[in-house]
Amino acid sequence: NAGVMQNPRHLVRRRGQEARLRCSPMKGHSHVYWYRQLPEEGLKFMVYLQKENIIDESGMPKERFSAEFPKEGPSILRIQQVVRGDSAAYFCASSPSGTGIEQYFGPGTRLTVT
Amino acid sequence: GQQVMQIPQYQHVQEGEDFTTYCNSSTTLSNIQWYKQRPGGHPVFLIQLVKSGEVKKQKRLTFQFGEAKKNSSLHITATQTTDVGTYFCAGGYRGGSNYKLTFGKGTLLTVNP
Repeated sequence: NAGVMQNPRHLVRRRGQEARLRCSPMKGHSHVYWYRQLPEEGLKFMVYLQKENIIDESGMPKERFSAEFPKEGPSILRIQQVVRGDSAAYFCASSPSGTGIEQYFGPGTRLTVT
Repeated sequence: GQQVMQIPQYQHVQEGEDFTTYCNSSTTLSNIQWYKQRPGGHPVFLIQLVKSGEVKKQKRLTFQFGEAKKNSSLHITATQTTDVGTYFCAGGYRGGSNYKLTFGKGTLLTVNP
């Protein structure tokens, strides 16, 4: 039973390029969460999605960031025109339901913007 | 919005000493979860507490949920080098049909062998 998968594990982008981060939830999980973690910081909630729906995007920056979770395929976190401040670890987590249940985290994508 | 404060930010102990991290919420929680993240790794779920005053144990780890459901603690007895990592609490807030998990900043535990 494969866990949450994220790719790429490491991503280097130059300022102004686009970054696409992928997350495949655990089998049977239809709820996906994205978090951002800066060095020595906690996990900052970004967005919560179910299949084809954004449920809560209150943690997403208003510009340049978007997320989707299509009917088929992985969830995608997209960052347009990256800046140095976007450098961080981005974790995806999944759960079988969205209320009060543990979240299973993927290994993360370490994004470095040069 | 909801905030979860966690202290201390760092804790260094000698192997065999005890360790405690504390978590406080500004508002009443629906539940609280604890996660552990090893250096360079990803958060791994440890436990969830739901009931007021609940205490749960996992070997040398003891988790408590306060009576008012606003605070929680994780206590490790006789630390080992394998306990090294960052321990996060995550408070669950329920408002109507919405539910949100808010993470504390974590406590980084280092253990000197």
